[in-house]
Amino acid sequence: NAGVTQTPKFRVLKTGQSMTLLCAQDMNHEYMYWYRQDPGMGLRLIHYSVGEGTTAKGEVPDGYNVSRLKKQNFLLGLESAAPSQTSVYFCASSYYPPTGGYIQYFGAGTRLSVL
Amino acid sequence: AQTVTQSQPEMSVQEAETVTLSCTYDTSENNYYLFWYKQPPSRQMILVIRQEAYKQQNATENRFSVNFQKAAKSFSLKISDSQLGDTAMYFCAFMKHGSSNTGKLIFGQGTTLQVKP
Repeated sequence: NAGVTQTPKFRVLKTGQSMTLLCAQDMNHEYMYWYRQDPGMGLRLIHYSVGEGTTAKGEVPDGYNVSRLKKQNFLLGLESAAPSQTSVYFCASSYYPPTGGYIQYFGAGTRLSVL
Repeated sequence: AQTVTQSQPEMSVQEAETVTLSCTYDTSENNYYLFWYKQPPSRQMILVIRQEAYKQQNATENRFSVNFQKAAKSFSLKISDSQLGDTAMYFCAFMKHGSSNTGKLIFGQGTTLQVKP
């Protein structure tokens, strides 16, 4: 059982380049999320999806786009990378247990550097 | 808007001793969930423990327990019999409850815990 898989694990971009981060989950979860982690700031929500074909903005959506064409995949795109987007990016998916509240499962993260 | 604050950027503890990590939060919600996540050097986020606000009993999970003080909006994590493998960054997180809940987590800044041999 792979859980949540993120590709790539590391990437270096030049300012202005574009790239797509891929998140795949094999747990049949409806909800998926993209977070970024910066030193001293914890994880902040970029975008999320509550089902196939749906996306919504989180706390820090500017400069990013997302797509959820298939239930198991959630893509995060950077159209024109900026040094401020240097960060570690985490994808997560969640399910709703019988006891209530969502339980999130995280991928291993992608470290992105923008020069 | 909800906020989560972890006021201890770094802490250390001797192996086999007990340590408590602090977390406070601000919300106008009455029902919600609180979490502690562990992030070891591998970077993987691991759920440690979860508390439902409408339950008065503090959650426990083996060596990990919480002290949930709803009125004070405090949610501390106690690690007993600390082990070297507990060395990690620990994040406190908040989640709303109810029909508007989409499972979004609001995280604190994190506390780096070093367990010394």
